[in-house]
Amino acid sequence: GAGVSQSPSNKVTEKGKDVELRCDPISGHTALYWYRQRLGQGLEFLIYFQGNSAPDKSGLPSDRFSAERTGESVSTLTIQRTQQEDSAVYLCASSLVTGVDTQYFGPGTRLTVL
Amino acid sequence: GENVEQHPSTLSVQEGDSAVIKCTYSDSASNYFPWYKQELGKRPQLIIDIRSNVGEKKDQRIAVTLNKTAKHFSLHITETQPEDSAVYFCAARSSTNTGNQFYFGTGTSLTVIP
Repeated sequence: GAGVSQSPSNKVTEKGKDVELRCDPISGHTALYWYRQRLGQGLEFLIYFQGNSAPDKSGLPSDRFSAERTGESVSTLTIQRTQQEDSAVYLCASSLVTGVDTQYFGPGTRLTVL
Repeated sequence: GENVEQHPSTLSVQEGDSAVIKCTYSDSASNYFPWYKQELGKRPQLIIDIRSNVGEKKDQRIAVTLNKTAKHFSLHITETQPEDSAVYFCAARSSTNTGNQFYFGTGTSLTVIP
């Protein structure tokens, strides 16, 4: 079946602009995660959606970052007033939360803020 | 919250030798420990995982061991091949008020020298 998809694959923007990143999880996966990966660094947790529960936003680095999810489908990560330090690859992952909840990652969106 | 530490950050081995990567975690309630391989410019891919009710799991040349008492787990790659060269991430799943959250190590860059 189809895996996790993300769009765009690359985004170049100017400092101060807003950007929206999209994630389409695997159909039926109730859990969805957003991570940030700076060049040569590990994965930094941003936000987690689980079904209809309130999302865990504890990883969002500032109030410029927000995310939404429509039911158990697509999610968008929005970064307002982008800064150069926001440049990174943004990875989305989904998992089927039953007794086995392996995460499956999307290909990521490479964001470059000039 | 959970804290995952990973060592070493870089590792070079001769082809055919074994490679061992170690991770420690802090939350004794963490119960699922996946390992991911990330090749340059690609998404993380799950290579093996282990649950807290198991002490060891093996899949061909890859094995993972878990010591719950000491709160550490390790990835073992035997008979390494050049295609094993990549960055490897460990993770621990910990339960939060809103569900399950994954905490990642900072990664180990493995180079297999032909």
